[in-house]
Amino acid sequence: QSALTQPPSASGSPGQSVTISCTGTSSDVGGYNYVSWYQQHPGKAPKLMIYEVSKRPSGVPDRFSGSKSGNTASLTVSGLQAEDEADYYCSSYAGSNNFGNVVFGGGTKLTVL
Amino acid sequence: QVQLQESGPGLVKPSQTLSLTCTVSGGSISSGDYYWSWIRQPPGKGLEWIGYIYYSGSTYYNPSLKSRVTISVDTSKNQFSLKLSSVTAADTAVYYCARDQRPRGPAFDIWGQGTMVTVSS
Repeated sequence: QSALTQPPSASGSPGQSVTISCTGTSSDVGGYNYVSWYQQHPGKAPKLMIYEVSKRPSGVPDRFSGSKSGNTASLTVSGLQAEDEADYYCSSYAGSNNFGNVVFGGGTKLTVL
Repeated sequence: QVQLQESGPGLVKPSQTLSLTCTVSGGSISSGDYYWSWIRQPPGKGLEWIGYIYYSGSTYYNPSLKSRVTISVDTSKNQFSLKLSSVTAADTAVYYCARDQRPRGPAFDIWGQGTMVTVSS
């Protein structure tokens, strides 16, 4: 069982917006602004899409945005495109000394209809 | 650009020690700007962070794996390595090495392609 809870699936039609949630506790998501989101296509390594809740690495389209409210973080993909179909994982810093533990969600399979 | 590449045996027997190495190219582990992490993914399942190392040798491990994990660094070769002892079938997974944005926030911005390790007799 994963430390963070994500819905197993989400879907939307091209051009629509989809939001994926990631629920943790006050010891991880709710306690720190260190939530990240990763996109993973089949057979490929994950790709960082969002870090520190809402920051986008260079090269990530601004169709991808992140937010957080309390113990729940969210990833919104606007203007869905076929290439957005992939698995998405959230992660959060979970506290401790020495910048320690990181926990992941179980992943959400995004289908573009 | 920075690239990471995992290497090591694809098959390990139960109770033995899994050993993998990550070679970093295009950047120096010794720069001290980043931490370096191992992450794994069992077939069809989610991601699990294993631990990190800093160029100085400072480490931190996932508490659930701490008793079996050792991560080390060889700055002269620009490599860091993972050892996982007493493996079982539950350790079968794709193992990734990744650049970790700590000491800023923890986020993995560059990943290796991953290497599949199967635990079986």
